[in-house]
Order: sequence, then C-alpha cells, then structure tokens
Amino acid sequence: GEDVEQSLFLSVREGDSSVINCTYTDSSSTYLYWYKQEPGAGLQLLTYIFSNMDMKQDQRLTVLLNKKDKHLSLRIADTQTGDSAIYFCAESKWNFNKFYFGSGTKLNVKP
Amino acid sequence: DVKVTQSSRYLVKRTGEKVFLECVQDMDHENMFWYRQDPGLGLRLIYFSYDVKMKEKGDIPEGYSVSREKKERFSLILESASTNQTSMYLCASSLSSGQGYGYTFGSGTRLTVV
Repeated sequence: GEDVEQSLFLSVREGDSSVINCTYTDSSSTYLYWYKQEPGAGLQLLTYIFSNMDMKQDQRLTVLLNKKDKHLSLRIADTQTGDSAIYFCAESKWNFNKFYFGSGTKLNVKP
Repeated sequence: DVKVTQSSRYLVKRTGEKVFLECVQDMDHENMFWYRQDPGLGLRLIYFSYDVKMKEKGDIPEGYSVSREKKERFSLILESASTNQTSMYLCASSLSSGQGYGYTFGSGTRLTVV
C-alpha cells in the first residue's frame, strides 16, 4: 500500500518556527492534508493542498509541496505552547474515499 | 456545529467479549471510516463504507466486522475481543466529492481489553 512517513518527534522553543516534514510514495496523490491531534481528542483538519500547488499559506501555517521529491512540509510561524500536539500528514486519491496517514509527529513547544 | 460522535470515550472489556463501538454523524456524509491508532504506527484503516449496507475492508480488518444500516451510523464490532485489540479507535466521515474537505473525526474511543 501507500507509505506516508514522518519523523516521530520535534521540540522547539516558544516563538520559534516549527517545520514538520512528511514524505509519501504515491505520485497519484491528489490532495495532501495536515491534521492536528490534541491530547485525548480526535484529529482536526488544519489545512490541505491540492497536488498541482507548490505552496499554501493560511495565517501562521505554510504548506510546501515538492511533488518531484514527494515531500510535504508544514511550517508553523511563532509557535505557541497551544501548538503542542501530534501532527499527521495524509494523502488521498482523486475519489477522496481513502486517506493514508503518516505515523504522526509529536510537537513539543517549550516555554 | 457538525459532529461525529463516538458513543464511549473509554471502554474496558474482557477477553472473548463481543464489543460494539458506535459512531454517528450528523452531516449527511456518504463515507464513514473506522481507524485504530497505536503509538508509532499512526492510523490504520480497519473498515470503511461508501453507502448504507456497503462495506469494504481496509488494511487491518482481521478480528473486526462493521455494520451500516443507516446513513448516519457506522458500527465497529469486535467479535471476540483480544488483548491485542487494546487501542484508540477513531471514527471519521467524509463527503464523496471531498474536494479537499478531508475527514471529520470523532473524539475517539480508548478500548482496553483485559
């Protein structure tokens, strides 16, 4: 099946930028997503990017997609302690019916 | 506010018991999914459903079955619970024409099998 890979942990200081990386193997992916999971909660959609885009910006969030290298990143500017969570990248095909998730990156923001 | 509601946040069951996990969505979504989440393994798809009475196996269906008798409800059934099914179970739903909407997730059910 499809592989979506992420590093497991990232630690940053409050106010710094965080960059969470993700690689995927399936070049037919249509949409790529970033989800956030806070402790004890389900996953919340943060942002998504269509595969014909290189970049998408949404307030403090910037998504970069390198389709040639099958690499997706999420940059969080001015990281706050409330950003501490697990971040999952996911990809889906044209029919949106099945998503494939990475293992999640646990972001720890130190005050 | 649109919602995916999972009936229990925490469950403790004994080995061999039949376990029902319920999920209800109020968004008229066609697609519903059951995932399990384990540390270091991310989310793994157990079963999904495109429509009422339709179901398809995901990546790890062994030991599970599902039921979708109504559009808004998708049940996950552990026929005979085992300790290796201790996990966080997440239900999600989506529109067929997703167009980037992604999934909407429930809050999860943490199941412990003893």
